[in-house]
Amino acid sequence: NAGVTQTPKFRILKIGQSMTLQCTQDMNHNYMYWYRQDPGMGLKLIYYSVGAGITDKGEVPNGYNVSRSTTEDFPLRLELAAPSQTSVYFCASRRRPGGRTDTQYFGPGTRLTVL
Amino acid sequence: AQSVTQLDSQVPVFEEAPVELRCNYSSSVSVYLFWYVQYPNQGLQLLLKYLSGSTLVKGINGFEAEFNKSQTSFHLRKPSVHISDTAEYFCAVSVRVMEYGNKLVFGAGTILRVKS
Repeated sequence: NAGVTQTPKFRILKIGQSMTLQCTQDMNHNYMYWYRQDPGMGLKLIYYSVGAGITDKGEVPNGYNVSRSTTEDFPLRLELAAPSQTSVYFCASRRRPGGRTDTQYFGPGTRLTVL
Repeated sequence: AQSVTQLDSQVPVFEEAPVELRCNYSSSVSVYLFWYVQYPNQGLQLLLKYLSGSTLVKGINGFEAEFNKSQTSFHLRKPSVHISDTAEYFCAVSVRVMEYGNKLVFGAGTILRVKS
């Protein structure tokens, strides 16, 4: 298993541009998550999904959109990039069932800079 | 709302010395607690987790943590650190969302710097 993979690893955007961060997992996990990591702030949840076709907002969803058409893929869309979206983005997944106890598996991250 | 506080943003320590990274949580219900480690330019990796039972939890790489319900703490310890333990460590609590889902609420992280 490759686990959770994310592309691209790095990206520089200009203000107002759009892009999609890709996330794929091959563990047949139902739950998937997008976090952003900013220095000294830990990880903040952007969006999550409990299965194909079911998504919900996390703590910091503004400026982002997601879709979950398949179990494997959970892309994160930035429509109008802003400097405040400069961050490192992590995708994670978790199996179901298992309640609250199961481990989340993280991808390697995408480092995004908006200039 | 549940939250996690990591009391130290950075902890410098010499190689082979013991270390404790502190974590306090706020929760009114049963908690499931986690410690994750992030090595430079990598994703997060699970170190250990507390679900129930024994309050002393052992993880990978010689780390352990003790769950203290009365003090709402889950401090991470290692008796003798190595240079390779230099990383950022995150404490997290699992929170229920929707009918059967969960999400992790993370602390701000503690950077452990091991010096030779």
